[in-house]
Amino acid sequence: DTGVSQDPRHKITKRGQNVTFRCDPISEHNRLYWYRQTLGQGPEFLTYFQNEAQLEKSRLLSDRFSAERPKGSFSTLEIQRTEQGDSAMYLCASTRGENTGELFFGEGSRLTVL
Amino acid sequence: AQSVSQHNHHVILSEAASLELGCNYSYGGTVNLFWYVQYPGQHLQLLLKYFSGDPLVKGIKGFEAEFIKSKFSFNLRKPSVQWSDTAEYFCAVNGGDSGYALNFGKGTSLLVTP
Repeated sequence: DTGVSQDPRHKITKRGQNVTFRCDPISEHNRLYWYRQTLGQGPEFLTYFQNEAQLEKSRLLSDRFSAERPKGSFSTLEIQRTEQGDSAMYLCASTRGENTGELFFGEGSRLTVL
Repeated sequence: AQSVSQHNHHVILSEAASLELGCNYSYGGTVNLFWYVQYPGQHLQLLLKYFSGDPLVKGIKGFEAEFIKSKFSFNLRKPSVQWSDTAEYFCAVNGGDSGYALNFGKGTSLLVTP
């Protein structure tokens, strides 16, 4: 399968713990996006990368959140000191450089904070 | 940033009925408009998009959408729905002051009954 893959698919953690999600985009895609989706809501933009550069961050991305894409390939999203409000589906998407608007989404990583 | 409003949160239709899902966006300059679909258990995928030109856009699976600039709307239509159209539908916008990042509406859940 050459689609966007995310790992883990489901993470259950206790409040206060740190969690990290990984996203492997489609290989020739240089733009990578992170979104968060909660029940009954559409995906909310968190951040995006062009190659290894993080070009935009949403106000939703508090200081406890950090994202990296060190070699311009896979990306990680880390949440420190998790809170119950962080429980959500974290979606990764990738696309080629031109603005076609066609994002290819992964199946998401579901976070449950107890 | 651009915002997107979807009027119908839950829609139930019988097979062969016509579908129209409403979408309005806030003004912020030149925008690009999209409809994404998420079938049960699957990832988000692009249904259709509008960048410029003919305001009536045709997408996959018989869907179409019409961009009406004066109404800031981009409604999704299908003349005759099928049971397999049961899914969550998201309107999205980028461009203007939101750059390349897609801003999604809250989504409309469509259930098509046999």
